[in-house]
Amino acid sequence: QVHLVESGGGVVQPGRSLRLSCVASEFIFRNYGVHWVRQAPGKGLEWVGVISDDGSNIYIADSVKGRFTISRDNSKNRVYLQMNGLTAEDTAVYYCAKDMGYAELEYWGQGTLVTVSS
Amino acid sequence: QSVLTQPPSVSAAPGQKVTISCSGRMSNIGNNYVSWYQQFPGTAPKLLIYENNKRPSGIPDRFSGSKSGTSATLGITGLQTGDEADYYCGTWDTSLSAMLFGGGTRLTVL
Repeated sequence: QVHLVESGGGVVQPGRSLRLSCVASEFIFRNYGVHWVRQAPGKGLEWVGVISDDGSNIYIADSVKGRFTISRDNSKNRVYLQMNGLTAEDTAVYYCAKDMGYAELEYWGQGTLVTVSS
Repeated sequence: QSVLTQPPSVSAAPGQKVTISCSGRMSNIGNNYVSWYQQFPGTAPKLLIYENNKRPSGIPDRFSGSKSGTSATLGITGLQTGDEADYYCGTWDTSLSAMLFGGGTRLTVL
């Protein structure tokens, strides 16, 4: 059973940074890209970014470009979302998801809530 | 406002059929696969349809997908109250080098 678990969420003050982690199991992690998707309270899904299987290609949504970065450590089956300069608009549940190969998200984690508030 | 356009809501009676549309452009739906996701309140989205019309293992054949040009459609037959959820389309946009989601459609089974 493929499993993805996000962690690192919490309450953070505006302007501060936070790093989310996503650990994966029960599939050959190094063979697949991983996406981050967020969902603000009561809103729809918003794609944040994706990192390719070997980490050589990273695409970030324009809405967070320059503030958010994605990295991965295949030896630990982990993907990270580094978020800097957080604002209230970044308040959301953040999901990581396994890519099937064509930006189709086969398995999702349970999500981790990030709340940006003073 | 999402680049992929979905109706905000649809409704139908139990046992009936409903379709949800997703409209885009050549740079996204027109040239890439479309996927569909089901989300119940408070839970993570779940993949329903991939590569326009394929179902992952465990997804009943009451759910179907199709694509024509720059539009895609999710169909659900034999509606059940348990199908009440939010449904999202998704695809890659080649021009933006970004994944896009539709705004989501709330399905109500009356």
